Amino acid sequence: KAGVTQTPRYLIKTRGQQVTLSCSPISGHRSVSWYQQTPGQGLQFLFEYFSETQRNKGNFPGRFSGRQFSNSRSEMNVSTLELGDSALYLCASRLDQGAYEQYFGPGTRLTVT
Amino acid sequence: AQTVTQSQPEMSVQEAETVTLSCTYDTSESDYYLFWYKQPPSRQMILVIRQEAYKQQNATENRFSVNFQKAAKSFSLKISDSQLGDAAMYFCASLRYNNNDMRFGAGTRLTVKP
Repeated sequence: KAGVTQTPRYLIKTRGQQVTLSCSPISGHRSVSWYQQTPGQGLQFLFEYFSETQRNKGNFPGRFSGRQFSNSRSEMNVSTLELGDSALYLCASRLDQGAYEQYFGPGTRLTVT
Repeated sequence: AQTVTQSQPEMSVQEAETVTLSCTYDTSESDYYLFWYKQPPSRQMILVIRQEAYKQQNATENRFSVNFQKAAKSFSLKISDSQLGDAAMYFCASLRYNNNDMRFGAGTRLTVKP
């Protein structure tokens, strides 16, 4: 079975722009979560989607949003990029909402200049 | 709220030796899970071992084992017979039951010396 895939792997954007990151979960997995990883703040939970609905949300501003499609693929969008949004964005999938084991993708490295 | 603390930013171990990584957590939940994840330099996070809080028996996965002390809210990872491939960042994490707001510690960078 293919693992979690994320595209693109690397991205450079300018302050004020917006960006969309994509995540394809493991086949059959219906839950997708997003995390932001930075040297200063570590790993922080952004949000989780399950069956196209946002189930949980971390403490991030409204500039961070996401969605999930019927095939469980998920996208994360960040609008009005700030320098502090530079980070590794990790996506993780799990079988369903009751499963606790989640599998991470390789991440998207976003650099905001 | 859940918080996870890893007090060792860096650790090193000689190849074939044993090393223990520390983790403490704070939660008011009665049902939760604890995890150790490994993030090698290639960045992909890999689950090393998990522990259900309701289980008293410490989890073991080959060379990896945990010392789960529920009353002390401690969850340390022991790596036996360390190998060069064990070099990575190790993250301790907690997860409330039926919730996906996983909380991570700051991580411990493990170096394995040949």
